[in-house]
Amino acid sequence: AQSVTQLGSHVSVSEGALVLLRCNYSSSVPPYLFWYVQYPNQGLQLLLKYTTGATLVKGINGFEAEFKKSETSFHLTKPSAHMSDAAEYFCAVMRSGGYQKVTFGTGTKLQVIP
Amino acid sequence: GAGVSQSPSNKVTEKGKDVELRCDPISGHTALYWYRQSLGQGLEFLIYFQGNSAPDKSGLPSDRFSAERTGGSVSTLTIQRTQQEDSAVYLCASSVLGENGETQYFGPGTRLLVL
Repeated sequence: AQSVTQLGSHVSVSEGALVLLRCNYSSSVPPYLFWYVQYPNQGLQLLLKYTTGATLVKGINGFEAEFKKSETSFHLTKPSAHMSDAAEYFCAVMRSGGYQKVTFGTGTKLQVIP
Repeated sequence: GAGVSQSPSNKVTEKGKDVELRCDPISGHTALYWYRQSLGQGLEFLIYFQGNSAPDKSGLPSDRFSAERTGGSVSTLTIQRTQQEDSAVYLCASSVLGENGETQYFGPGTRLLVL
């Protein structure tokens, strides 16, 4: 069984400030981990993913995430927030190997204050 | 290239009516998934199809929900005798296994409102 916990349903940051969105996962097998972003009235867009190898993963729009097995975490960061980053972010986990359904966290809405 | 497309983008129906939601996956993607996004429930897996294998229906909330995938491509999610609690955004995703595992690509969703 897998699960994802996102701490903070709403996060506010000032424009130019560090963005940190927290995600912890639980998985009985080595997981694949994802961050998706959803803009208002749109579908989910893949930001980045971790499967194997390098634990620091870089994605689109300047976001990155680090897989920390010892902490079962996969936090999303961006050094400097931009107004266009305002959206809802979903952390997700999938069992590795073959085709698998994705288990999503409850999402974090990011507000960027000018 | 074209992404996952879904139709209609919005659907308003009356309680008790049947609805059909359509998903066109990315060409060449062999796996297709349906998820539901609703207030209070987040994103829930509904059903998935992979090639010619029997679909995984473990996420369907009731027997009013069914889905088909014709010719290994287009999929239709059908909800019979709709209820107000079926109001949600229904998301479709498709994927293919690559060197770096599987990544699911999502469509824009169908927003269903049951009055």
